[in-house]
Amino acid sequence: EAQVTQNPRYLITVTGKKLTVTCSQNMNHEYMSWYRQDPGLGLRQIYYSMNVEVTDKGDVPEGYKVSRKEKRNFPLILESPSPNQTSLYFCASSFGGRVYEQYFGPGTRLTVT
Amino acid sequence: QKEVEQNSGPLSVPEGAIASLNCTYSDRGSQSFFWYRQYSGKSPELIMFIYSNGDKEDGRFTAQLNKASQYVSLLIRDSQPSDSATYLCAVNGKKSNTGKLIFGQGTTLQVKP
Repeated sequence: EAQVTQNPRYLITVTGKKLTVTCSQNMNHEYMSWYRQDPGLGLRQIYYSMNVEVTDKGDVPEGYKVSRKEKRNFPLILESPSPNQTSLYFCASSFGGRVYEQYFGPGTRLTVT
Repeated sequence: QKEVEQNSGPLSVPEGAIASLNCTYSDRGSQSFFWYRQYSGKSPELIMFIYSNGDKEDGRFTAQLNKASQYVSLLIRDSQPSDSATYLCAVNGKKSNTGKLIFGQGTTLQVKP
C-alpha cells in the first residue's frame, strides 16, 4: 500500500530533550516536506527536500533540523524542544515533476512541557 | 491581507444539496490550486487540483478557477454526511518549484442527514 508513515504518532516530552520524528514514504517520491498545523495559523511549511541531500527552509524553520540521506526517509529533529513547538506535525511527499500534489502522513501530535 | 483566505464556516447544508466552498488568493502569479479535505484528527487528503481557468470535474466534485478575480471554488454535488470535514484551499508559493503550498485556514462543512 502506497503511504507516508510517521513515528511516533503521539509524543509528550520536556523542554530541552532532543527528539526525532521519523517520516518514511514507499512511493519513490523525490520531494518531501514537513508542516506544522496550529489553531488559527493553519498549516505552515517547516522544511522541504527536493531529493537526497537537498534540503531547504520553509516558513518556520527555527528550532528544527532535517536530513535526507535516503530517498524514502526525511526525519525532523528538534535539538532542544520548547513549549512553542507543541503542535501537530505532518510529513508530506510527492513526485518531483508534480511537487505540489502532496500526500500527507498521518501526523504526529507533539506536546512539549 | 492573508495570502489565501477562506470563510471558516461552519457551512451547513442538507444531505443531497450542493455545497459551495470558496477561496481567494492574493498573489496574481499563483499557478497551481488545490483542495484538501481534512477529517477531524486526520491528515489532509488531496481531492482536487486545478491549473487552468474554468471548471474541472471529478465525480461529485467540481473545482472552479477564475484567475482574473483570484478565486477558486469547490462544489460538492449530492452532499453526503461523510463529506462533513474541513476543506483546505492551497496555492503554490512564490518561489517556483519548491513544493511550498500556502494553505488557507479551511472551511468546515457540515452535511446534515
